[in-house]
Amino acid sequence: GAGVSQSPRYKVAKRGQDVALRCDPISGHVSLFWYQQALGQGPEFLTYFQNEAQLDKSGLPSDRFFAERPEGSVSTLKIQRTQQEDSAVYLCASSARVTGVNQPQHFGDGTRLSIL
Amino acid sequence: ELKVEQNPLFLSMQEGKNYTIYCNYSTTSDRLYWYRQDPGKSLESLFVLLSNGAVKQEGRLMASLDTKARLSTLHITAAVHDLSATYFCASEEQFYFGTGTSLTVIP
Repeated sequence: GAGVSQSPRYKVAKRGQDVALRCDPISGHVSLFWYQQALGQGPEFLTYFQNEAQLDKSGLPSDRFFAERPEGSVSTLKIQRTQQEDSAVYLCASSARVTGVNQPQHFGDGTRLSIL
Repeated sequence: ELKVEQNPLFLSMQEGKNYTIYCNYSTTSDRLYWYRQDPGKSLESLFVLLSNGAVKQEGRLMASLDTKARLSTLHITAAVHDLSATYFCASEEQFYFGTGTSLTVIP
């Protein structure tokens, strides 16, 4: 399809397990964001890539969170030693970048992560 | 502190009425984005406001930006049920989102 694709849609893990969430952005989109959205809240910024460069990771809540985009397209968000507070919807969004400005983002449907 | 604040957080309005959602931001970038999110769905872009005084309109929704006051508004005219959703504003090139305004339009 032409949109942002995230997988899996749902992930249930036991506390302490590692998880990996995948994002396929729209082809050609330079900018890629990861957000965490808790129920009833707005998306909280986690990290930002321009092509393969991770330009901002200030939103990652701890060193258990790691993101990469090695070839400037697909991105993976990895969470190690998951905790219950990691339960949330993880959103990926991509956008074009025109004259140094991020265009409106196209969001994926998100991965709903539940930690038991 | 919150970099983007929206109010009200919850809004219930009758069909046909007008109302305004407010978005105050404290970030340095003056570009402001509005998104809509339906229950269980992801976010959909509505408007991008790029400069002071910018006004964009689409159907019954109109967004404006006052960079001096660091305020954006989303005005709803003659609400219809299809507008029921949560509306978010975002600033600083979409690094920061507001907490959202949950709008319910009652027949």
